[in-house]
Amino acid sequence: EAGVTQFPSHSVIEKGQTVTLRCDPISGHDNLYWYRRVMGKEIKFLLHFVKESKQDESGMPNNRFLAERTGGTYSTLKVQPAELEDSGVYFCASSPLSGPYNEQFFGPGTRLTVL
Amino acid sequence: QKEVEQDPGPLSVPEGAIVSLNCTYSNSAFQYFMWYRQYSRKGPELLMYTYSSGNKEDGRFTAQVDKSSKYISLFIRDSQPSDSATYLCAMNWNYGQNFVFGPGTRLSVLP
Repeated sequence: EAGVTQFPSHSVIEKGQTVTLRCDPISGHDNLYWYRRVMGKEIKFLLHFVKESKQDESGMPNNRFLAERTGGTYSTLKVQPAELEDSGVYFCASSPLSGPYNEQFFGPGTRLTVL
Repeated sequence: QKEVEQDPGPLSVPEGAIVSLNCTYSNSAFQYFMWYRQYSRKGPELLMYTYSSGNKEDGRFTAQVDKSSKYISLFIRDSQPSDSATYLCAMNWNYGQNFVFGPGTRLSVLP
C-alpha cells in the first residue's frame, strides 16, 4: 500500500513568488492534515480536511495560504506571495475517519526555502 | 508556556543503553498520546500509541502516560545505532483531531 506522498520534495523560491505544494493521502483516508515545521520549532498544525471540506483551519497563519482538496482526494497548499518566514518543512498527514487507532500517517514533507 | 515541552537534546548514549525520553504538557484534555520517530529528511513515523493513562510495551519500546502529572515517557531498551533519530511526542484530545507536537529530542546511539 502506498503511503502519503508529497510533491515537490524541495522548493526554492524568491520572496514574492507563488508556490503550490501537493499532497496525495493514503487511498481511502478521508482525514487530511497539513502541518509545518519552521527551523528550530515544533511541528505545528495548519489545517484539517474531512473529505473535501475544511474541518479546522485555525492553524493557517494568514490569508497568503490557501488550501484545497479536490474531490476529497489530493490536496494542494498554495502560498502567495511567499515571505521569508514561510520557509520550513511542510508535512501532510492522513488518517481514516474511524478505526481502532487514532493514528496519522505522515508524508516525507516538502522543504520550502524562500530567499 | 508551551503546550507541550520536551528536552531537545541532543542526547548521546552508547549502544545497549536504556534511553528515557520525556514530555510534559499543560492541557488536561489530552487523551491520546503518541511517540513518533523521525529520521533525517523523512516524515514522522508512529512508534507508540497510548490512550489515557498507563503503560504500553512493544518490543524494546515502552510508553508510559501519567495524566495526573501531565507527563509521558518513552523508554528504549538495548538501544541500537539504528535508533538514532529525532523522537517526537504528540497528543490530541479526540479521535481525528490535529496533533500537538513537542519540539522533539534528537537521539544518537553510538556503536
